[in-house]
Amino acid sequence: DQQVKQNSPSLSVQEGRISILNCDYTNSMFDYFLWYKKYPAEGPTFLISISSIKDKNEDGRFTVFLNKSAKHLSLHIVPSQPGDSAVYFCAASASRTGNQFYFGTGTSLTVIP
Amino acid sequence: DADVTQTPRNRITKTGKRIMLECSQTKGHDRMYWYRQDPGLGLRLIYYSFDVKDINKGEISDGYSVSRQAQAKFSLSLESAIPNQTALYFCATSDPAGTGDWELFFGEGSRLTVL
Repeated sequence: DQQVKQNSPSLSVQEGRISILNCDYTNSMFDYFLWYKKYPAEGPTFLISISSIKDKNEDGRFTVFLNKSAKHLSLHIVPSQPGDSAVYFCAASASRTGNQFYFGTGTSLTVIP
Repeated sequence: DADVTQTPRNRITKTGKRIMLECSQTKGHDRMYWYRQDPGLGLRLIYYSFDVKDINKGEISDGYSVSRQAQAKFSLSLESAIPNQTALYFCATSDPAGTGDWELFFGEGSRLTVL
């Protein structure tokens, strides 16, 4: 069973607008959540993370929101740029030093110039 | 040069052949991982190793084996490849106890096709 789910396989957004990527999880033991970005022919690269003691973490144009009661997190990109076009993976771990990260299926974001 | 290097980057092989994918890292990280990516399934953990003497199965280890030859090297073997092992394979590293790099750092991937 998929413990981390990204229900939108793809998303298209106009340049300059907000992109919102969503992720749901089922395991209440997850304490750390990460977003990775992946370009074609490259490995995933770490983008931003959040621990369960926070409900928001911001890094420049990227903000991750965590709703523990709903077991839901989202990544907001404002403003969206064409270079943000990539596949975004959500991942979760039971601890910061945990031995296993569980990944979602990814959302392919296209930012239209 | 990449911090996490995978070889080969692309490989086509036939059913029943033995295949080895290699990973080396210059990050000095203790932990190394092998993931596979399939369309619609995301990234799934095959094996992980916390140090040279520590090897652990992930969620999809059947049909695979690994070897941690050194802190910097972690190889994945398919003893007898089958078509449903066709996938994109990623090596990753982390080091929460040492450098504090707790997030995963990935290699560029090895695309394997089994005919």
